[in-house]
Amino acid sequence: GAGVSQTPSNKVTEKGKYVELRCDPISGHTALYWYRQSLGQGPEFLIYFQGTGAADDSGLPNDRFFAVRPEGSVSTLKIQRTERGDSAVYLCASSLTTSGARDTQYFGPGTRLTVL
Amino acid sequence: GDSVTQMEGPVTLSEEAFLTINCTYTATGYPSLFWYVQYPGEGLQLLLKATKADDKGSNKGFEATYRKETTSFHLEKGSVQVSDSAVYFCALLSGSARQLTFGSGTQLTVLP
Repeated sequence: GAGVSQTPSNKVTEKGKYVELRCDPISGHTALYWYRQSLGQGPEFLIYFQGTGAADDSGLPNDRFFAVRPEGSVSTLKIQRTERGDSAVYLCASSLTTSGARDTQYFGPGTRLTVL
Repeated sequence: GDSVTQMEGPVTLSEEAFLTINCTYTATGYPSLFWYVQYPGEGLQLLLKATKADDKGSNKGFEATYRKETTSFHLEKGSVQVSDSAVYFCALLSGSARQLTFGSGTQLTVLP
């Protein structure tokens, strides 16, 4: 079946602009995660959804970042007033449930965001 | 807080060589441990995992053993292939956390 998909694959924007990044999880997966991966680093957690609600948003760096998952499936990560330091690959992952390590997180290919 | 330390790369090996990528961790409680792999142009894929001490995860000829006494989860493969060239990430999931904590990744290049 289809894996996690993310759009766009690449996004170039100017400093100060608003961007939206979309994630379509594996069908039936109730948990959805956003991570950010800077060049040469491992992914860092941003936010996690269980169903429609954000169960843990402790990784969001500041209030310019916001994410929604209104129907418990597709999620959108929104970044306001983008800064050059926001340039990174934004990864989305989903898992069947949230029973911890017994649920493998499946990752999408990522969206490469470049802020000029 | 939780952290994962990986052997720095890049690592370059000849085909059929033995591979070890070191990974140590710091975590509260008893975490579950993972190796993810990122092939060129592709997303992160789970390679193997171990959920309790002394467990051995294995897949595609790769192995890693959860060593609680040394807080380690080193990745090994007896004979690497060119197709193993990728970036390898060690990660953990601790306690009631739902998010993975990753190491910084190790770039492996296997030459024919």
